[in-house]
Amino acid sequence: DAGVTQSPTHLIKTRGQQVTLRCSPKSGHDTVSWYQQALGQGPQFIFQYYEEEERQRGNFPDRFSGHQFPNYSSELNVNALLLGDSALYLCASSPTGGGNTIYFGEGSWLTVV
Amino acid sequence: SQELEQSPQSLIVQEGKNLTINCTSSKTLYGLYWYKQKYGEGLIFLMMLQKGGEEKSHEKITAKLDEKKQQSSLHITASQPSHAGIYLCGADTLNRDDKIIFGKGTRLHILP
Repeated sequence: DAGVTQSPTHLIKTRGQQVTLRCSPKSGHDTVSWYQQALGQGPQFIFQYYEEEERQRGNFPDRFSGHQFPNYSSELNVNALLLGDSALYLCASSPTGGGNTIYFGEGSWLTVV
Repeated sequence: SQELEQSPQSLIVQEGKNLTINCTSSKTLYGLYWYKQKYGEGLIFLMMLQKGGEEKSHEKITAKLDEKKQQSSLHITASQPSHAGIYLCGADTLNRDDKIIFGKGTRLHILP
């Protein structure tokens, strides 16, 4: 059983560009959350998707947007990249219901130059 | 908003020694997760604690939840090089909606 898978693993973008990161949740999981982890910090919650809709959102600007597909996979899009967006982006999945074990992927390293 | 403080921030331990990492919440804990992270990699789930006084073990790692103190501790017995990494505690919110608030992590180094 594959766990949470993310792609790409590493990428470099230029300021002002746009980026799309992808996530496939663990089998049987329908809720996907995205986190940003800056160097030396704990992960920060960006948003969560369930039933193809954004269910809740953290304190991130509208440049950060997402999507969930009918097969529960998800994308994170970041527009107008800033140097400060350089971070490890983590995807997490869980089954609906709350209080569940939440599994994380290996992350996507984004470097903005 | 809820905040989690981990202590110590960094820890260097001789192989074979025991160690403890603490996680203190500014608000009531409804669920507490412990994850391990190797540098630049994803989070590996260790344990989830949901009830006050609950204690769980995974191999040589034990975690306990003290609801009254709004605190959790992670204890490693007879540390090994494989235990090195970053340990992150995360709290579930009141809504139990799988949105985790994380601490900044404790960096553990094991000296051979």
